[in-house]
Amino acid sequence: NAGVMQNPRHLVRRRGQEARLRCSPMKGHSHVYWYRQLPEEGLKFMVYLQKENIIDESGMPKERFSAEFPKEGPSILRIQQVVRGDSAAYFCASSLRQGINTIYFGEGSWLTVV
Amino acid sequence: GDSVTQMEGPVTLSEEAFLTINCTYTATGYPSLFWYVQYPGEGLQLLLKATKADDKGSNKGFEATYRKETTSFHLEKGSVQVSDSAVYFCALSILNFGNEKLTFGTGTRLTIIP
Repeated sequence: NAGVMQNPRHLVRRRGQEARLRCSPMKGHSHVYWYRQLPEEGLKFMVYLQKENIIDESGMPKERFSAEFPKEGPSILRIQQVVRGDSAAYFCASSLRQGINTIYFGEGSWLTVV
Repeated sequence: GDSVTQMEGPVTLSEEAFLTINCTYTATGYPSLFWYVQYPGEGLQLLLKATKADDKGSNKGFEATYRKETTSFHLEKGSVQVSDSAVYFCALSILNFGNEKLTFGTGTRLTIIP
């Protein structure tokens, strides 16, 4: 019974490149959340998706960031034209249904922009 | 808006010492409260939770009581072990179907020395 799977675990990108982070939710989970953890800070909510729909993207930066959760396949967090300030740990979480009591986090993807 | 304020770290204790990590919150409405733990290089794991006033969450020897009058949810453990070394995050959620997300504190790094 695999948990939330994120890949890559570590990603290095040069400024201006694109970063794609993938998240496979737990089996049967249709709700996905992305959080960002900047160095020495707590996690900040970015976006909440259900299959094929973005429910709440109030935490997403207005430019360069996008997220999707297609009918088939993992959820993707895409960062275009990365800058040094994008260096952070990106955590995905999933839940079976609405209700925070059922949320499970992945191990995170650490993005370093050089 | 909703916010969580945590005791600043880092905290260093000797094994078997008593632990308290303070957490206070500001929220519109009636939040659920959580403590998450992050071991080095890993994702977040739910440690304990409380969903209403005066509830006590407990797990692995850790406890926290939901105090509405002081808007607090302090984490305590009577006798810490080296294996408790980790970063601890206090968090809240206002359950609002269709718009659920966790608001985290900045985290408290705990180091236990033998």
